[in-house]
Amino acid sequence: GAVVSQHPSRVICKSGTSVKIECRSLDFQATTMFWYRQFPKKSLMLMATSNEGSKATYEQGVEKDKFLINHASLTLSTLTVTSAHPEDSSFYICSARDSSGDYNEQFFGPGTRLTVL
Amino acid sequence: GQNIDQPTEMTATEGAIVQINCTYQTSGFNGLFWYQQHAGEAPTFLSYNVLDGLEEKGRFSSFLSRSKGYSYLLLKELQMKDSASYLCAVLDSNYQLIWGAGTKLIIKP
Repeated sequence: GAVVSQHPSRVICKSGTSVKIECRSLDFQATTMFWYRQFPKKSLMLMATSNEGSKATYEQGVEKDKFLINHASLTLSTLTVTSAHPEDSSFYICSARDSSGDYNEQFFGPGTRLTVL
Repeated sequence: GQNIDQPTEMTATEGAIVQINCTYQTSGFNGLFWYQQHAGEAPTFLSYNVLDGLEEKGRFSSFLSRSKGYSYLLLKELQMKDSASYLCAVLDSNYQLIWGAGTKLIIKP
């Protein structure tokens, strides 16, 4: 099946710093990638939809200036958490849609656990 | 609004069968997915239904009734490694995935 990588898998940073998370589709081209956030024992919460070559579409309540998304190529999207605070600590997961597939399946990266001290 | 309902938690015995139900109300329907998620890991794809009926894949089967807005995931011959959360998600008219909160399945020996 299609593989999506995410880097880093874990990051610990100080409050006020910025953190960049990369999401790559390794063996397929993804015109659309999704960024999710998941709190413990909760379901996935869609933060934004990232389209290659255009601006990301953010969900209601998600600050686009705080969570910067760049989808510069068909295989790479990045999420930058700017001026991180402890409340930004969470599990961030990206997924990529294989538009050539039969049913628009989303393939998930392994996730990034962010801890802001 | 859009809504996906599934039980919060279920318990079953190793070797037994368990059925996890999911009901949905969404703006449009382009298919229903089941994902498995172990603690601390990303979801992995289990099944996809877009037509009514039962899809069988090894020990796992998934059923869909579009008229009832209902699906279930059936797990047979349960193994301890099946202990995980099972997420139901519907692809709406905008091809956006709407997620249920997940069902935590606990398998006991």
